[in-house]
Amino acid sequence: AQKVTQAQTEISVVEKEDVTLDCVYETRDTTYYLFWYKQPPSGELVFLIRRNSFDEQNEISGRYSWNFQKSTSSFNFTITASQVVDSAVYFCALSEAGGAQKLVFGQGTRLTINP
Amino acid sequence: DGGITQSPKYLFRKEGQNVTLSCEQNLNHDAMYWYRQDPGQGLRLIYYSQIVNDFQKGDIAEGYSVSREKKESFPLTVTSAQKNPTAFYLCASSTQATNYGYTFGSGTRLTVV
Repeated sequence: AQKVTQAQTEISVVEKEDVTLDCVYETRDTTYYLFWYKQPPSGELVFLIRRNSFDEQNEISGRYSWNFQKSTSSFNFTITASQVVDSAVYFCALSEAGGAQKLVFGQGTRLTINP
Repeated sequence: DGGITQSPKYLFRKEGQNVTLSCEQNLNHDAMYWYRQDPGQGLRLIYYSQIVNDFQKGDIAEGYSVSREKKESFPLTVTSAQKNPTAFYLCASSTQATNYGYTFGSGTRLTVV
């Protein structure tokens, strides 16, 4: 069975600090997809990134970067120079390739950026 | 603009009542999903549908029912059999063409009074 673990329930940092959100996953599939979503107080989930299991290149998008390491089954998310607007709950998720594309979510990490 | 519309945003239910949550999408996506979110927890799959007139149970389907009579619509009924329905409900859709993840609605917060 697929499983996603986000061990950090809550993180609180001061603005401009760098922060890393951890994500560890379990799957027996050889082909799969990993995602990160942001949930602001409004409740809607906002898509941040999708990574397939064959692509282990790290990705950077502005202040956001992602480190995918298949050897440790991890897909960590780093925010550089955090801002108050980054405050939200962040979810890591895993889906099978093809089929029903059901997403399995981690428990989420509540990130608070203090001014 | 294309997207998913969930209504109502807030819903109050009395004990023993059935209530229906609406989910409509204009993205022409084939697949639709319902998730439940409890405080401090991740999202859990209730039901999903890959095509019209077909749907499957997710991990926590007991006490819920769905229909998929139109591609655009995937309403969720929370029945009186659901013992703890107070939660935040999110609807999502995806295209089967590639695994690009979901587009989510803004959610419905259901409270039993």
